[in-house]
Amino acid sequence: LAKTTQPISMDSYEGQEVNITCSHNNIATNDYITWYQQFPSQGPRFIIQGYKTKVTNEVASLFIPADRKSSTLSLPRVSLSDTAVYYCLVGEAAGNKLTFGGGTRVLVKP
Amino acid sequence: NAGVMQNPRHLVRRRGQEARLRCSPMKGHSHVYWYRQLPEEGLKFMVYLQKENIIDESGMPKERFSAEFPKEGPSILRIQQVVRGDSAAYFCASSLGTGRNQPQHFGDGTRLSIL
Repeated sequence: LAKTTQPISMDSYEGQEVNITCSHNNIATNDYITWYQQFPSQGPRFIIQGYKTKVTNEVASLFIPADRKSSTLSLPRVSLSDTAVYYCLVGEAAGNKLTFGGGTRVLVKP
Repeated sequence: NAGVMQNPRHLVRRRGQEARLRCSPMKGHSHVYWYRQLPEEGLKFMVYLQKENIIDESGMPKERFSAEFPKEGPSILRIQQVVRGDSAAYFCASSLGTGRNQPQHFGDGTRLSIL
């Protein structure tokens, strides 16, 4: 599975847009990019998945450039409840064996 | 639809005892995965099962650990003769399949503490 690199932590304020970039230089042709969110004492929650260009759902947007060596998760107008750890994963489709890195701790301040 | 259900949420065992962790997948899901998470770390894959079959157990220690997903009932992760190093959060996930747009959905985990 392709290794991912993402910032350890990010601070933001309520109402701002948060963008988390993940690097995956060795992404393979069949690999998809998936993002999960995890709150303390809870399991990871699926946010979004994409292969190329842009994907948007009711929670977030995922931007993937043409070379697919990186991706950016965009959280519009964050609230305090968006404080969590966000994981970027790369693998075949949903993947039988998800490999979680250290994730990005996002702290949303009032 | 109920999500992935894990029980117990917290489990305390003494060294040498056995720990049994249960996972009921989402309705209709026949693929189950177990992960372990140490404090301040990401989840580490342990085993992938599909009804009555172990598909991939490459992340599971060869000794003391076993997993099953019987035809009827929940998936069970069993840890025999527990040691302090087994203390962790154990998460179960399930999916409808393994293809695109069939992501893994996680339960809220079992926190295992070894005295």
